Amino acid sequence: SQQGEEDPQALSIQEGENATMNCSYKTSINNLQWYRQNSGRGLVHLILIRSNEREKHSGRLRVTLDTSKKSSSLLITASRAADTASYFCATLSAKMPDSWGKLQFGAGTQVVVTP
Amino acid sequence: DTEVTQTPKHLVMGMTNKKSLKCEQHMGHRAMYWYKQKAKKPPELMFVYSYEKLSINESVPSRFSPECPNSSLLNLHLHALQPEDSALYLCASSQDRTTEAHPYEQYFGPGTRLTVT
Repeated sequence: SQQGEEDPQALSIQEGENATMNCSYKTSINNLQWYRQNSGRGLVHLILIRSNEREKHSGRLRVTLDTSKKSSSLLITASRAADTASYFCATLSAKMPDSWGKLQFGAGTQVVVTP
Repeated sequence: DTEVTQTPKHLVMGMTNKKSLKCEQHMGHRAMYWYKQKAKKPPELMFVYSYEKLSINESVPSRFSPECPNSSLLNLHLHALQPEDSALYLCASSQDRTTEAHPYEQYFGPGTRLTVT
């Protein structure tokens, strides 16, 4: 079953605009990760935020985590056409070692960036 | 080398065929994963291998049989599949839980697009 739920399901923006997508989850986590998937390809790890962190940056990406609300957001600033992809959040349960690296993926947000 | 490779890229098989999917990584990762992904859906975990031992089987039908011959290789043997098994099959690897730097940050291969006719 999926732990993470994402919204919006789809997002269409123009180049240069910012894209924000949200992820909610249900149980205690060790960390939350964001992945990008170009059409029909494998997933690429973007950024990981641990449960004791509140914000993290990587290039044009900014991730926030609010464990009290069990939610995270991913912001892509100054978007480019190459950012067109599906974005998934994935949570690693705080129940270790039971989880053995088992990530729970959200449903994903499909982002289209038009030139 | 941060690459996970998968072969073949595409596979078409009949319901009576036997075929295998292969995955390889040379990052020294001791955890490897098989996922199944349908169009416009997130990946669904099938199997997890840790130190070459099967640690998680997500109640996958026996027509899918995983194998981990060594720490770099992961196979998925397919037999008597159904048309609904058509999907993108993704392999991934990660460091194990004793490595704190990047706990379970997974590296994915490009996938095998499987069509069952």
